[in-house]
Formats: sequence, structure tokens, C-alpha cells
Amino acid sequence: AQKVTQAQTEISVVEKEDVTLDCVYETRDTTYYLFWYKQPPSGELVFLIRRNSFDEQNEISGRYSWNFQKSTSSFNFTITASQVVDSAVYFCALSEVKTSYDKVIFGPGTSLSVIP
Amino acid sequence: SAVISQKPSRDICQRGTSLTIQCQVDSQVTMMFWYRQQPGQSLTLIATANQGSEATYESGFVIDKFPISRPNLTFSTLTVSNMSPEDSSIYLCSVERDFITEAFFGQGTRLTVV
Repeated sequence: AQKVTQAQTEISVVEKEDVTLDCVYETRDTTYYLFWYKQPPSGELVFLIRRNSFDEQNEISGRYSWNFQKSTSSFNFTITASQVVDSAVYFCALSEVKTSYDKVIFGPGTSLSVIP
Repeated sequence: SAVISQKPSRDICQRGTSLTIQCQVDSQVTMMFWYRQQPGQSLTLIATANQGSEATYESGFVIDKFPISRPNLTFSTLTVSNMSPEDSSIYLCSVERDFITEAFFGQGTRLTVV
């Protein structure tokens, strides 16, 4: 069965520290997508990144970077030099390929608090 | 990307009543999805709505409780029927464009049932 695990329920860091959010997934599919979303206190879900299963290149976007390792079924997310505005709940997600659509399965989320 | 508008953004409802949530997309999409996010929890898929066919419900969700309409390629509604306090959640609409597996979300509807 498809599953996404985010072992860290809550993390607190002091501003400017680096922080890594862990994500481990399970799937039998050979083709799948992995996602990270941010949910600030306002509640909307903000898309951060999508990675397909054939692309193991790490990606960097500003202060954000992602480390995809198929061998360990992990897709970790690092925020460098954290800021207070990074405080949010972060969800890792996995797409499950269906016949006509991809079902996205969300992890339980990691609540990040960045303290000034 | 897709711009998704959900209405209402929040509501407080009496138990036993029903609320219909609207989801409008700025362009045509094949699949629309409805999620529920209970307080402090992750997102759970309620159902998938494909235009021109009945919605497909996930385990634990039934049409009588969460009827869905999908009259065209840019619009869908989710009704939460006969509400109880346990239905208090954020309900989110999501879309996926053809061949692009990237879920775009509306801003959500915060529902409180009293």
C-alpha cells in the first residue's frame, strides 16, 4: 500500500538555523511523483515542488533544497537560514497512479516553528 | 498553474443542516478532487469528480453524506449533509490538469459545526 511517513511531528528552530524535514515513502509503483506542500497558519496549501520517480537529481530553489534518494525511499526537504515566515505545516505527498488520474496521498505533516 | 476559487472561505453552521461548497477553476480541467482536513490532521481524499460521470468516493466517504456535482469542466460543488460537530474541518478543492500530475489547491473552506 502507498504510504508517506513524516516522523517529525513538530520542529522548533531559531531563526537563521538550517532545518531538514524528513519524508519516507512506500510504493509499489515504478512511476510516481513526490511533492512537498506548505500550509501556513492561514490554511491554504502552497505547492513547493514535484519530483518524478525517474529524476533523482537534487534540486535547489533559493533557501529550499530537496534530496531525493530512491535507494532509501526518502525525499527530504531542507530550509537554509530559516526565517519566521517559514513557520508552517509542511506536507510530503506521493502520487498513486490510477487508470485515469493520480491520487495524491499526504503524509501527516511536520509543524515547523521558527523562533525569532 | 491554475487559479482555484472556493466559496465560502469559512462558515459556522448548525448541526443537522447542510452546506454546499463551490469550487471554480479559471480553466478547463479533467479531474477535480475534494479533500477534508480535520483539525490538526493531514489531508484525506473524499472523492474524485470527473465531468460527465458519477464521483468516485474513497473508503469511509459516501455519496449521501458528501454529494458532489460536476456540471462542467471548470466547476464543482461538494455538499456536507446533515452536519455534526465531527464534520468541522477544512474542505479543499484540488485540480489536476491533463497529463500534469501537480495538484493545485483552492484556499479551502473552514467549516465549524455547532
